[in-house]
Order: sequence, then C-alpha cells, then structure tokens
Amino acid sequence: SYVLSQPPSVSVDPGKTARITCGGHNIGSKGVHWYQQKPGQAPVMVIYYDRDRPSGIPERFSGSKSGNTATLTISRVEAGDEADYHCQVWDSSSDWVFGGGTKLTVL
Amino acid sequence: QVQLVQSGAEVKKPGASVKISCKTSGFTFTAYALLWVRQAPGQRLEWVGWIKAGDGNPKYSEKAQGRVTITMDTAANTVYMELNSLTYADTAVYYCARVGRGWYEVAFWGQGTLVTVS
Repeated sequence: SYVLSQPPSVSVDPGKTARITCGGHNIGSKGVHWYQQKPGQAPVMVIYYDRDRPSGIPERFSGSKSGNTATLTISRVEAGDEADYHCQVWDSSSDWVFGGGTKLTVL
Repeated sequence: QVQLVQSGAEVKKPGASVKISCKTSGFTFTAYALLWVRQAPGQRLEWVGWIKAGDGNPKYSEKAQGRVTITMDTAANTVYMELNSLTYADTAVYYCARVGRGWYEVAFWGQGTLVTVS
C-alpha cells in the first residue's frame, strides 16, 4: 500500500516561514492536497493539486513539489496558523492516502 | 454554501453496530462523491470508504471491507455509513466529506461524529 511520510512536528517563530514536507514514492506523478486541522475541529483544505489555493485561504499558504517530496510553505506565520497539517494523495491501488500529520507550533 | 451535517455522538458496546448519517446541502448531490474518513485518537486520518452519488456505487478500504456499508438517500441528499462488529479499535471521530471538482481532493468536511466503543 502507498505510504506518505511527514515530520511529526515543526516549530517556527512568528513572522517567519514554515515548511512542512510530505514524502512518497513517485509523488511527482500524483496530485498532492494539504489540510489544516485545529484541535477539536474538522480538517480544512488549504492547498489542492500541489499548489492551488481554495478561495478564502490566505496567499501566505503555498504548495510545491520536487522529486519525491511535496512541501507546504506558510509565510509570515501567525499564532492562528498553529495546527496539525495533513497531506493526501489518491493512489490507484490504495485510493485515498493521508500522511501522518505534522504539528506546527508557533513559538 | 456547501454544508455537511452529521448525526450526533454514539457510544456502543463491542460487537454492536453503528450507523451515522450525513445530510448535505448547497450543491447538486448526484454530481459528486462523498467519502467517510476516520481519525482515531493520536492517529492519522484514515479513509474508510466512498460512494459516487451519481450511481450509488460504493467502494471500501481493504481494512473496512466486510464490516462497513455506505448507502445514500438521493431524495434527502443524505449519505449513511454503517459499521458492524465494533471493536475498541473503532473508537474514532468519523468524518463525512465531499470531493472537489478535481474529484480526488477533499474539498468539504462535516463536523465529525465521535464513536466510542466501550
């Protein structure tokens, strides 16, 4: 089955840039989607198909992909960005696959 | 606006069954697929199954196959998930969600339903 790997945690100072990675075999051939989940709440999509942003999501959120790694970048980090971030792809053999999630801490 | 409203929390005994509903609004129900995703305490999001509302054809994860049934009521714009033979490992928040226009991203989520097996 297909596996996505994320670092368990990332810490960043307010106003700086946070980068959260998501690794998977041949991920370059798959559309990568990112979700923000705050405690006690449902996930919210923040990036879809690698780099597209849904309406209402700040431009500070961006996505990219290189080799076997996709990256969610949050610029000018704010206290309100503190949350768990999950990556997801669709795989023909495993269907819907999610990463383990990364807890973003704003120092 | 798109809304997915799920039924309330459930507490079940091991071996019992649970059925959760997800009432949708704000979009053409039969134009999309709806999926169920669960999140056990401290665990990653896990896909359980999905149904294409246009044809009512469900598909289940290998892990859930044989214990889960996803159905829908087109007239009520509602989708259901029933999970049988519950074990303690099924304790989780279950989310109903809708795909986006690209079909393979999860564009909208319900508020979640906590199922506790105790």
